[in-house]
Amino acid sequence: DQQVKQNSPSLSVQEGRISILNCDYTNSMFDYFLWYKKYPAEGPTFLISISSIKDKNEDGRFTVFLNKSAKHLSLHIVPSQPGDSAVYFCAAKTSGTYKYIFGTGTRLKVLA
Amino acid sequence: KAGVTQTPRYLIKTRGQQVTLSCSPISGHRSVSWYQQTPGQGLQFLFEYFSETQRNKGNFPGRFSGRQFSNSRSEMNVSTLELGDSALYLCASSAGTHNEQFFGPGTRLTVL
Repeated sequence: DQQVKQNSPSLSVQEGRISILNCDYTNSMFDYFLWYKKYPAEGPTFLISISSIKDKNEDGRFTVFLNKSAKHLSLHIVPSQPGDSAVYFCAAKTSGTYKYIFGTGTRLKVLA
Repeated sequence: KAGVTQTPRYLIKTRGQQVTLSCSPISGHRSVSWYQQTPGQGLQFLFEYFSETQRNKGNFPGRFSGRQFSNSRSEMNVSTLELGDSALYLCASSAGTHNEQFFGPGTRLTVL
């Protein structure tokens, strides 16, 4: 049972444009969400997180939006750069647990 | 501050053997989690340890086990290896709840 879903396995975007990566979840008890970026042969690197009490969190070029009613979150990267090309994972957890549930990842390719 | 380290980086075993993987968390981090990453499956949560106690466990068979030492270093063990255990095993450490996890580079296990 995949509680966190990233339905787009891949995405290509032109340099300078906006990249939008999507993530859906089914467990309404999730209240903390994170995005990670992963390059080949490296472990995932934390990008940005959001608590369920917020609907938006911004950090530089990265913004995460949370729509609790739709059980949907998205990561916006503006402007996209070739160095952003990587696999992006969203993850979710419930307060009081220490178990992060990850999506299957979306491979982003930013074209120069 | 040194990052999360995992040893060995690569490992080749045959079916039926057992394997032990090691993880050293970031200094001061007391929580260590383990994940299995396979193509198309994302990161699957194995277990999480805090102060030598397993606090959460994922849906893996009993062949997968782990432990944490008093210095927060952690090991995971897989007994009676199967071909399907071939994967990248990732370790992550964090300072506590609602904190992002910092991942190591992973151990690539191949079972022949």
